[in-house]
Amino acid sequence: SQQGEEDPQALSIQEGENATMNCSYKTSINNLQWYRQNSGRGLVHLILIRSNEREKHSGRLRVTLDTSKKSSSLLITASRAADTASYFCAMWGGGGNKLTFGTGTQLKVEL
Amino acid sequence: DTGVSQDPRHKITKRGQNVTFRCDPISEHNRLYWYRQTLGQGPEFLTYFQNEAQLEKSRLLSDRFSAERPKGSFSTLEIQRTEQGDSAMYLCASSLVQGNEQYFGPGTRLTVT
Repeated sequence: SQQGEEDPQALSIQEGENATMNCSYKTSINNLQWYRQNSGRGLVHLILIRSNEREKHSGRLRVTLDTSKKSSSLLITASRAADTASYFCAMWGGGGNKLTFGTGTQLKVEL
Repeated sequence: DTGVSQDPRHKITKRGQNVTFRCDPISEHNRLYWYRQTLGQGPEFLTYFQNEAQLEKSRLLSDRFSAERPKGSFSTLEIQRTEQGDSAMYLCASSLVQGNEQYFGPGTRLTVT
């Protein structure tokens, strides 16, 4: 079963706009990671934020983490058509040697 | 290319047949993971190896599933007596440090008819 839920399930925006995706999870974590998946490149790691961090940036990506609310958000600024993909949050921790993925957000960036 | 590779990329099999998938991780990575992904869902963890030792298995991994990693290099995932519910994408990933980013292969798409 999925450990995390993402919202929205699908998002359609125009090129140049910002895209925000949210992830909620259920148990304690050591870190939370975001991955992108498209048909061309498979599943690719984007960014990792540790449980003692609140915000992290990488290029056009900004991730926040609120462990008290068990939630995270991924912001993609100035989106491009190439950002069209499914985005998954994945939680590490809460016992076990595994990543537990969310349900994903399908992002479509239109020209 | 030194990424994670998987073979075959696609497999169509009839119900009741056995299938075997192979994963070659990034060479210096001693941690290897198998996941299963169905349409519209995120990947679900199946099993984890550290070197040649299988350290964790999901309850999703029924008795029909077995995985090996001989000599701590490549890994195989075998499904015996396949069922239509086994149709999915099977993903392999490897990592160097526990808990850090995982590098995924392109996956093997299994269709059971």
